[in-house]
Amino acid sequence: DTAVSQTPKYLVTQMGNDKSIKCEQNLGHDTMYWYKQDSKKFLKIMFSYNNKELIINETVPNRFSPKSPDKAHLNLHINSLELGDSAVYFCASSQASGAYEQYFGPGTRLTVT
Amino acid sequence: GESVGLHLPTLSVQEGDNSIINCAYSNSASDYFIWYKQESGKGPQFIIDIRSNMDKRQGQRVTVLLNKTVKHLSLQIAATQPGDSAVYFCAEKNAGGTSYGKLTFGQGTILTVHP
Repeated sequence: DTAVSQTPKYLVTQMGNDKSIKCEQNLGHDTMYWYKQDSKKFLKIMFSYNNKELIINETVPNRFSPKSPDKAHLNLHINSLELGDSAVYFCASSQASGAYEQYFGPGTRLTVT
Repeated sequence: GESVGLHLPTLSVQEGDNSIINCAYSNSASDYFIWYKQESGKGPQFIIDIRSNMDKRQGQRVTVLLNKTVKHLSLQIAATQPGDSAVYFCAEKNAGGTSYGKLTFGQGTILTVHP
């Protein structure tokens, strides 16, 4: 009955590796988001997709590449991981791009060593 | 750039007391505000929202007040319970430019409720 799910919940990897985080929502929402939360709890949007189309692309290194195979899924691939990528990554969804109540997933804690 | 900020990073209260969490915003073009609660190890959870054409909105045990004159937003929690212990975020949406649901979050306030 999970609304927004993410896998994995924890990810520990070494610098230079490539990793992916997956997100799925079963709410029937059109819009999905990726956020990064740093160690000080600051939450910042990275990307947003509406019906598989990229609509928000904040200033994020191009090592980060989102992919939306369908409107229920938004995955995040990260190349050449760096220490500064360590954070909690949250996926979220909303009914439409103009609907601002966003439903968040449980988060993926990424640790780069 | 313009951002949303919080006055108090931590707030400790006794169970049963009322809690007030404050948020200052600097973008006068923002037309929508939202409060989220984030419990430890979980994602943010919607609490209550308010549009800029309102100055007060009430939910169950929570009230959001908006003062556009001084660009101030507050969340009031009545009869605070230990389960209310969490980090609380305010977020704003800018009415101008692209409005694809982009929210700008404040830093967060840690609320601790003592039994």
